[in-house]
Amino acid sequence: AQKITQTQPGMFVQEKEAVTLDCTYDTSDQSYGLFWYKQPSSGEMIFLIYQGSYDEQNATEGRYSLNFQKARKSANLVISASQLGDSAMYFCAMREGGYSTLTFGKGTMLLVSP
Amino acid sequence: NAGVTQTPKFQVLKTGQSMTLQCAQDMNHEYMSWYRQDPGMGLRLIHYSVGAGITDQGEVPNGYNVSRSTTEDFPLRLLSAAPSQTSVYFCATRSVGQSNQPQHFGDGTRLSIL
Repeated sequence: AQKITQTQPGMFVQEKEAVTLDCTYDTSDQSYGLFWYKQPSSGEMIFLIYQGSYDEQNATEGRYSLNFQKARKSANLVISASQLGDSAMYFCAMREGGYSTLTFGKGTMLLVSP
Repeated sequence: NAGVTQTPKFQVLKTGQSMTLQCAQDMNHEYMSWYRQDPGMGLRLIHYSVGAGITDQGEVPNGYNVSRSTTEDFPLRLLSAAPSQTSVYFCATRSVGQSNQPQHFGDGTRLSIL
């Protein structure tokens, strides 16, 4: 079974609209962390937001927020007021227990249109 | 303010050739890792290290060797390149002190094996 599942290969959104990118995860650990990264066409990996399994509140970073539903094992990324520069590939990743290794999903390509 | 430096950025090899991908970091991070990124597959962990002299295998280690003689450097060696190793390779580092610390990525090495 995949540890990180991103079911949306591609998403389209109009500029200034909000968009939700889905991520579900599978782990038996009580302590884990969830990360979202952005990869623009230039190829670099940009860290966006982190949610710890024990965090009681959903993480927010500017226009990015994480809709964390622990019981459903989902950690969806919400981008508010989309901008053209948000067009990129987005990866959800999980770190389990005390390990530093990350397991990545296959990614979602987001295209923002004017 | 270099962060994580990967060299070379691009390389073309012939099947059977050997090569070393370099990764250097100046952040004194204990954890270093190598991922490969293939279309539709996300990022997959090849090898990782939690400190000088300590390395371990990730999800796809076959065909790759690593060593960690210093905190700063974590080279990835292809002993006999195969076309299946055509990919984009990322080095990532992390401080293991705090669980919410993200991994910091280099800009990647695009490797083609003919």
